[in-house]
Amino acid sequence: AQSVTQLDSQVPVFEEAPVELRCNYSSSVSVYLFWYVQYPNQGLQLLLKYLSGSTLVKGINGFEAEFNKSQTSFHLRKPSVHISDTAEYFCAVSDFYGGSQGNLIFGKGTKLSVKP
Amino acid sequence: EAQVTQNPRYLITVTGKKLTVTCSQNMNHEYMSWYRQDPGLGLRQIYYSMNVEVTDKGDVPEGYKVSRKEKRNFPLILESPSPNQTSLYFCASSYSGVRDEQFFGPGTRLTVL
Repeated sequence: AQSVTQLDSQVPVFEEAPVELRCNYSSSVSVYLFWYVQYPNQGLQLLLKYLSGSTLVKGINGFEAEFNKSQTSFHLRKPSVHISDTAEYFCAVSDFYGGSQGNLIFGKGTKLSVKP
Repeated sequence: EAQVTQNPRYLITVTGKKLTVTCSQNMNHEYMSWYRQDPGLGLRQIYYSMNVEVTDKGDVPEGYKVSRKEKRNFPLILESPSPNQTSLYFCASSYSGVRDEQFFGPGTRLTVL
């Protein structure tokens, strides 16, 4: 069965510093990959997704992620964070070849805390 | 305004008392899904529906039921709630499946005593 590992449960960082949130998934033939963000007391919002094509994916709010098939990773990066990026970030994967296009597996989340 | 609504937003109940959490979307989306969120466990998918009358189990379906009689509504039913179903529940919808952006509802915080 598909699984997702977010390697850091909490990441503290200073404002304007770069950040990388790490995500690994279990091997599969074909996957869709996603990053969602949850601001305090809100639902989730899609940051970016990888379906096919270019392995570097750009999303909203200056975030980007790189799909690495050989390392089964999909790390999220931002070159300079703002206080407003403080939130919980979730990596998710859908195994559309072995499973259905309705099943989505989330990681346990990484809490990004941006300090002034 | 395009949105997913859930009701109630907060609910405290007792073990064994049947309850329904409603979910409705006004975007004409084919796909709808239910998740539960627990501290340290992230989100886990309970059930999903690819279309009217088509539902399938997610990763944690035990103790839950769903139905999809109309495109816009996807209620979550707990026939006999237990304390381990205390959680934050989110409904989501998208145009045709997980490859499309899912729009999430505001969440329902359920406490089962």
